[in-house]
Order: sequence, then structure tokens, then C-alpha cells
Amino acid sequence: ELKVEQNPLFLSMQEGKNYTIYCNYSTTSDRLYWYRQDPGKSLESLFVLLSNGAVKQEGRLMASLDTKARLSTLHITAAVHDLSATYFCAVDRDQGGSEKLVFGKGTKLTVNP
Amino acid sequence: GAVVSQHPSRVICKSGTSVKIECRSLDFQATTMFWYRQFPKQSLMLMATSNEGSKATYEQGVEKDKFLINHASLTLSTLTVTSAHPEDSSFYICSAQEGRYGYTFGSGTRLTVV
Repeated sequence: ELKVEQNPLFLSMQEGKNYTIYCNYSTTSDRLYWYRQDPGKSLESLFVLLSNGAVKQEGRLMASLDTKARLSTLHITAAVHDLSATYFCAVDRDQGGSEKLVFGKGTKLTVNP
Repeated sequence: GAVVSQHPSRVICKSGTSVKIECRSLDFQATTMFWYRQFPKQSLMLMATSNEGSKATYEQGVEKDKFLINHASLTLSTLTVTSAHPEDSSFYICSAQEGRYGYTFGSGTRLTVV
């Protein structure tokens, strides 16, 4: 059974600081997704990482994937208040020819002024 | 980009009644759609996979007779919560698979059963 673990689950940071969210998964997969969720809203796609060593950056967020270590990171650079949200990683689970996303528990990020 | 429309965004219903939630892919055809449930401060839990023209595949522990899924066309999947009870109150989110690696999410439906 595919398990996806995120840490930390809660993160409170000061504006301007850097931090990394980690996402570990338990079985082989080459596809990892990062999403952002604001309170009361649905998911917003941030990154899709499709191969080992993939690195993608958008603004103050950078995501990477190490399929050998079964680890993805979401790095936050010089955080600003607008980044406050819950961040989920998700991994494709291929079962019997059908694919499904398995989500981590999410990391609630609060950026304080 | 791909857009998935989900309606209604909020619904309040009385206990014992049924509620239908629609999920439409607006600019692409989705042979596979997914239905998730999210309780407050928790992650998304997959309820079922909806396949166009065939029966939905439910995850373990999800009552098939309570959560009826219909995927009658390549752009529409519906979730009907039958005989709703307060414990069914939750945030329901649909997702459509576009291409090989794309998942697009609807805006979600906040269901409150009173």
C-alpha cells in the first residue's frame, strides 16, 4: 500500500526566512505532485515532477524529486505572508492499470510578519 | 489550461434527503474522474474512481449504495449522497484526469446536513 508522509505538518515562519517541506513515499513512483489549498478552497496545482532529479521553480517555491530516495522537497525562499496556506504532496498509485493520487496529510504553513 | 467545473459550491440539506453534486470538464474529455472527501483540517481521501460508461470503483470502506456515482458522458460525472446524515457533512472535491499526468480539480462542494 502506497503511503505518503509529509513533514512538518505545521510550520510557522517569519517573513523573509527559508524553509523546506519534505514528502516521503513508500513505493516506486516517478510522478509526484504538489498542491496548495487555501482555507475553504479547492486545490491549486503547483508542480508536477515526472522524473528523477526533476526540479521546478515558480516564484519563491522550488520543488525537487529524488525517486531513488523516494523523496520530494518543497523549498520556500524568503517567505511572504501570501504563501500562508496548506501544501499537499501527492503520488500516483498505479493499481491494476488505473492511476490514482494518494495524498500526504498536508503541511499548514503560516508566515508571520 | 484544463478547467473542471463543480456545482453546487455549497449546499445545505435536511437529514434523510439526497443531494447531487455535478463535476464537468469544460474544455477536455475526461474518461476518468475522481471523487474525494475532505474533513476539516484533514487531507483528501479518495472515495471512488468514476469511469465513463462503466461502474465506478469505490475505495475500501466507502458505501456504494450511499454515494452513487454516474459518469454518463466524457464531460460529466455526478455524485449523489443518498439519505444524507450529519456525519456526511464534508467538503467534496472532484478531479478529472487529463492526458497521462494531469489532474485538474473542481472548486469543491461544501455539504452541510442538518
